[in-house]
Amino acid sequence: AQKITQTQPGMFVQEKEAVTLDCTYDTSDPSYGLFWYKQPSSGEMIFLIYQGSYDQQNATEGRYSLNFQKARKSANLVISASQLGDSAMYFCAMRESGGEAGTALIFGKGTTLSVSS
Amino acid sequence: EPEVTQTPSHQVTQMGQEVILRCVPISNHLYFYWYRQILGQKVEFLVSFYNNEISEKSEIFDDQFSVERPDGSNFTLKIRSTKLEDSAMYFCASSRERTGEGGYTFGSGTRLTVV
Repeated sequence: AQKITQTQPGMFVQEKEAVTLDCTYDTSDPSYGLFWYKQPSSGEMIFLIYQGSYDQQNATEGRYSLNFQKARKSANLVISASQLGDSAMYFCAMRESGGEAGTALIFGKGTTLSVSS
Repeated sequence: EPEVTQTPSHQVTQMGQEVILRCVPISNHLYFYWYRQILGQKVEFLVSFYNNEISEKSEIFDDQFSVERPDGSNFTLKIRSTKLEDSAMYFCASSRERTGEGGYTFGSGTRLTVV
């Protein structure tokens, strides 16, 4: 079974509008972390936002917020006031608790966001 | 802002040759990782490294791969005998906390092309 599912291969939005990128996850681990990364066409991976499984409030970072619905196992990224520079691939990722020596990130297949003027 | 530095940015190599991809993680980070992304596909975990040893590796990370932290700053990924299917973008990442709460910081990647 997929651990991270991103069902939207592509999304289109106009400048200044808000957009929601969907992510659902599957884990039986009570302690986990959820991450969103942006990958522009240049290829680098840019960290956007983090949500811990025990965090009571939804994470926010500037124009990015994470709509965390634990019971539904969803962690959707909301980008408010889209800008042309937001056009990129967006990856949702999860880290399970693992052992003492760090854990791997498991990535979804990504959603390509295109912002038009 | 501190960053993870990867060199080279592009490498072309012949099948069967050895390649070494280099990374300088953020200096106060303790956990180091290699990931790869085959063109157009999702990012896949290869290996994690902590306290000078491999802590976790995926089934992709077979005997052809090795990692090393030779001098306390560099973190390298070696592929002994490259295959065509090793062509991918390779990302190094590091984190300060085990849980990655501050985010795993990725480098800009090395695009490896095996011909």
